[in-house]
Amino acid sequence: SQQGEEDPQALSIQEGENATMNCSYKTSINNLQWYRQNSGRGLVHLILIRSNEREKHSGRLRVTLDTSKKSSSLLITASRAADTASYFCATDFTSGTYKYIFGTGTRLKVLA
Amino acid sequence: NAGVTQTPKFRVLKTGQSMTLLCAQDMNHEYMYWYRQDPGMGLRLIHYSVGEGTTAKGEVPDGYNVSRLKKQNFLLGLESAAPSQTSVYFCASNPPRQGTGELFFGEGSRLTVL
Repeated sequence: SQQGEEDPQALSIQEGENATMNCSYKTSINNLQWYRQNSGRGLVHLILIRSNEREKHSGRLRVTLDTSKKSSSLLITASRAADTASYFCATDFTSGTYKYIFGTGTRLKVLA
Repeated sequence: NAGVTQTPKFRVLKTGQSMTLLCAQDMNHEYMYWYRQDPGMGLRLIHYSVGEGTTAKGEVPDGYNVSRLKKQNFLLGLESAAPSQTSVYFCASNPPRQGTGELFFGEGSRLTVL
């Protein structure tokens, strides 16, 4: 089974609203990353948060990590139509191996 | 600087045929990965390599073989293709000692097995 599970599976919001998606994982991690995938394209790295960090920001992105609950959330503020994509979390659950396991993804649709 | 390049981008095979997917990266990255993506399943790790001459199994290695004879290339082979291997395959690379752990992805190879 996969390490990460994103929630919700699909999300539809209006432009300008905030989008929040969650990732839960099963075992201890070294770091957690979020990626975006536009339809039919490769994945693009958004942000990485290490296991000793609780929150990180990058532009309109805010990521939190709760290692006690084995969960992370990605918040996209003031969403735009161009944010329409699938979002995946990836975990390096065994320190030092860089064996990245992906979750099932959240499909975000931002309506103009 | 092309990044990660996958060839071919599209391929149709008949059951039982063999083929090789090539992944090439020009960033001198140590680690390379092969994933497959199926609808509703996200990405699943097939095999990965932590350096030239090394390979390791991922989550779904059965039916696939890999080789990393040169640092810049990571080959994924299907010896006897099955319809269950119809998928989009993604290659990625990672510079663990230089960067933040970010994976760099190719644009994918869409494989259909009839």
